[in-house]
Amino acid sequence: DAGVIQSPRHEVTEMGQEVTLRCKPISGHNSLFWYRQTMMRGLELLIYFNNNVPIDDSGMPEDRFSAKMPNASFSTLKIQPSEPRDSAVYFCASSLFVPGSNQPQHFGDGTRLSIL
Amino acid sequence: QKEVEQDPGPLSVPEGAIVSLNCTYSNSAFQYFMWYRQYSRKGPELLMYTYSSGNKEDGRFTAQVDKSSKYISLFIRDSQPSDSATYLCAMSAPGTYKYIFGTGTRLKVLA
Repeated sequence: DAGVIQSPRHEVTEMGQEVTLRCKPISGHNSLFWYRQTMMRGLELLIYFNNNVPIDDSGMPEDRFSAKMPNASFSTLKIQPSEPRDSAVYFCASSLFVPGSNQPQHFGDGTRLSIL
Repeated sequence: QKEVEQDPGPLSVPEGAIVSLNCTYSNSAFQYFMWYRQYSRKGPELLMYTYSSGNKEDGRFTAQVDKSSKYISLFIRDSQPSDSATYLCAMSAPGTYKYIFGTGTRLKVLA
């Protein structure tokens, strides 16, 4: 079975440019998460979608960050304009939400973002 | 104080050793406990998923939860160089989607 698929795997761009990260969750999963991982702060939850609806975006650091989930099989995380401090590894994860049970999250291999 | 504490390591062991990785936590509401393995330049991979207290075994891996002490462990038997990775613990409370992650322990198994 295909896992969570993220693209691109690596992105290097200059400060001020728009960056778009993409994610395809596991088929049948109805919950999707975007995380950012850095050495200093570890894994941070940026935003959580359930059934394509953003439920919690309290982790989005600034208005420069936005995320969408137009359908059950695709999500994007956009940074505009990008800044050097946005450099990190961005992970997408998905899970199956079942009322009364916390199902585990499954992660993609991430996008390594470098803003020069 | 962080909700979840995990020693960052690195922890170096010889091949074949039994490895013990641990996390402590402060929130007594946590009921779901996960261990993830993360290789360099890869995403976290789910290793173990347990609910409430007790032990769970899967091959060379055993997850142990002691809720009275707010302490979880992952044991790796007959460790192999391929086990060299960062191990992250994660936990969550019932009815919430949020995982609280440890910072990860870097493990090196020496051939």
